[in-house]
Amino acid sequence: KAGVTQTPRYLIKTRGQQVTLSCSPISGHRSVSWYQQTPGQGLQFLFEYFSETQRNKGNFPGRFSGRQFSNSRSEMNVSTLELGDSALYLCASSLRTSGGSEQFFGPGTRLTVL
Amino acid sequence: GENVEQHPSTLSVQEGDSAVIKCTYSDSASNYFPWYKQELGKGPQLIIDIRSNVGEKKDQRIAVTLNKTAKHFSLHITETQPEDSAVYFCAASYSMNYGGSQGNLIFGKGTKLSVKP
Repeated sequence: KAGVTQTPRYLIKTRGQQVTLSCSPISGHRSVSWYQQTPGQGLQFLFEYFSETQRNKGNFPGRFSGRQFSNSRSEMNVSTLELGDSALYLCASSLRTSGGSEQFFGPGTRLTVL
Repeated sequence: GENVEQHPSTLSVQEGDSAVIKCTYSDSASNYFPWYKQELGKGPQLIIDIRSNVGEKKDQRIAVTLNKTAKHFSLHITETQPEDSAVYFCAASYSMNYGGSQGNLIFGKGTKLSVKP
């Protein structure tokens, strides 16, 4: 079974631009969560989508947004990029059975903001 | 909210020795505790997890123990090998039943494990 895929793997943007990252979950998984990983803050939760609805949101500004499509693929968007947005953005998918929360991560998208 | 503390931040062992990484959590409602291994340039890989109704779980050379009263859980790796070298993260979350929020993972800051041949 193919794992979680994320595109693009690497991205360089300049301050003020916006960016869209894509995530395809494991086949059959309906939940997608996004995390930001930086050396200083570690792994931090951005948001979770299930059945095209945002179910949970972390403590990030409104510049960070996301959506999920009917095929469970998800995108996240960051507008008005700041230098501090440089990070590895990770997507995780989950089957989401009752009480189950195993989350499987993709390889991430490395975003560099200049 | 939940807070997860992880120790040590770095750990160096000789090949064949055991390695232990410890985490504490603050929210007694947390009921799911996974461990992830992250190698350079890759996303975190789930290696083992434990739920709050279980005290210990083993999978070959790795084991996790959970003490709900003390709110801490530990990862044990026996007979370490050079390929075990990576950064290990513990995490905690509260998982509701199907249809509700599955609970976002709150991660520790990570332990860089180095296994010397």
